[in-house]
Amino acid sequence: GQQLNQSPQSMFIQEGEDVSMNCTSSSIFNTWLWYKQDPGEGPVLLIALYKAGELTSNGRLTAQFGITRKDSFLNISASIPSDVGIYFCAGLASGYALNFGKGTSLLVTP
Amino acid sequence: EPEVTQTPSHQVTQMGQEVILRCVPISNHLYFYWYRQILGQKVEFLVSFYNNEISEKSEIFDDQFSVERPDGSNFTLKIRSTKLEDSAMYFCASSGEGMSQYFGPGTRLTVL
Repeated sequence: GQQLNQSPQSMFIQEGEDVSMNCTSSSIFNTWLWYKQDPGEGPVLLIALYKAGELTSNGRLTAQFGITRKDSFLNISASIPSDVGIYFCAGLASGYALNFGKGTSLLVTP
Repeated sequence: EPEVTQTPSHQVTQMGQEVILRCVPISNHLYFYWYRQILGQKVEFLVSFYNNEISEKSEIFDDQFSVERPDGSNFTLKIRSTKLEDSAMYFCASSGEGMSQYFGPGTRLTVL
C-alpha cells in the first residue's frame, strides 16, 4: 500500500498543553481516519474525514483533510492524562483497505 | 453503543496447528475486515468481505488464510498450519455504508 509518514513518532507533554500530529503521503487518499489505541486494545475511531479541506471536531480533538488530499493533521487541545496512547492516521485510497501510519505515541504528565 | 466483539481474547497454539478467530461485527454493518498488528508495528490490512465474498485482500492473505460468514452474525478468520511469524494481534472491523471502520478489541495469537 501507499506509504504514510506520520509524525512525530512520540510526544511527551504536560497536562494542559495542546498537541499536533500529522500524516503525509505521496499518494492521494479519499478518506482519512484518526484512531487512538491503548495498550492491548483495538483502535478506537476518533474522527473521520471524507472531503478535501474538511475540518472536523470531536470535543477537544480537531482534524483536517488536507486540500491536496495527501495529508491530514490531528490537534488535541488542553491535553489530559487519559489522552495517553498511540494515535494512528489511516487513509483510504480506493477499495476497502485502510493504510495505517506507524503511530504517534503520546505521553501526558500531570 | 454497538461494538465489534472478538473471541478469544488470547489464543496460544503450536506451530502447524489450525486456528479460528471469531468476530461479531456491528449488527447493521455490511462490510467486514480483518487486520493484524505485529507487536510494536502498524496495523496491516488482510482482507475485506462484502455480500458473502472477498472484495479485496492483501499480499499477506495467502492460501494459508480463509474467511467465512457462517451465519448472520459471525465472521471468522481461519489460519491453517500456523507459523511462528503469524504471532500478532488480529483485529476484526466492520463498516456500514460509509467508509468509517470500527475495530474490535482484538485476539492476541501466540504461535509456539
